[in-house]
Amino acid sequence: DTGVSQNPRHKITKRGQNVTFRCDPISEHNRLYWYRQTLGQGPEFLTYFQNEAQLEKSRLLSDRFSAERPKGSFSTLEIQRTEQGDSAMYLCASSPDRERYEKLFFGSGTQLSVL
Amino acid sequence: AQKVTQAQTEISVVEKEDVTLDCVYETRDTTYYLFWYKQPPSGELVFLIRRNSFDEQNEISGRYSWNFQKSTSSFNFTITASQVVDSAVYFCALSINTGTASKLTFGTGTRLQVTL
Repeated sequence: DTGVSQNPRHKITKRGQNVTFRCDPISEHNRLYWYRQTLGQGPEFLTYFQNEAQLEKSRLLSDRFSAERPKGSFSTLEIQRTEQGDSAMYLCASSPDRERYEKLFFGSGTQLSVL
Repeated sequence: AQKVTQAQTEISVVEKEDVTLDCVYETRDTTYYLFWYKQPPSGELVFLIRRNSFDEQNEISGRYSWNFQKSTSSFNFTITASQVVDSAVYFCALSINTGTASKLTFGTGTRLQVTL
């Protein structure tokens, strides 16, 4: 396994700009998750995909956030009209979908700073 | 609602000391899983252990051990003979099944600093 890959590692943007992050899960992992982690806190669930279908979204995911997984492989997370409160580490995770309560494999995250 | 509490924000120990990281959880579900993850400075969360709600046996893996007590809703993690490489943020997490997937509710983490 090559691991979960996230790009970019760091992103600095000005308030009001749009940003897009990419996540490449472990090959053949059907489940893909996005989490957000702010300083001094644990990761918080944002959304979940089973193959290309987005099956669950957290209330944390406002209308400015959109996630896609068009071919059931990589995923993108877009934030429109960024706000300073969006500054956080965005973590992607994947799992093989062989059982319930699976352990998740995390990427190293994308650190977003909104100025 | 689910909740995980890690009351210890930061712990500092000297190498070779034993250290216990506390985790207390809340859930109304009878079936759930508990996890521990390690987050080194690189940022990637590394899986350490998974324990289901029906198995209260303690587990040992090398220098790591876990104590699960349903009566006190606790799932504590002990590192024996700590090493500098153990320095990281450790997260306890709770997973319940929400239909088609299980998602994790994390605690706020405990930062462990091991010095020489």
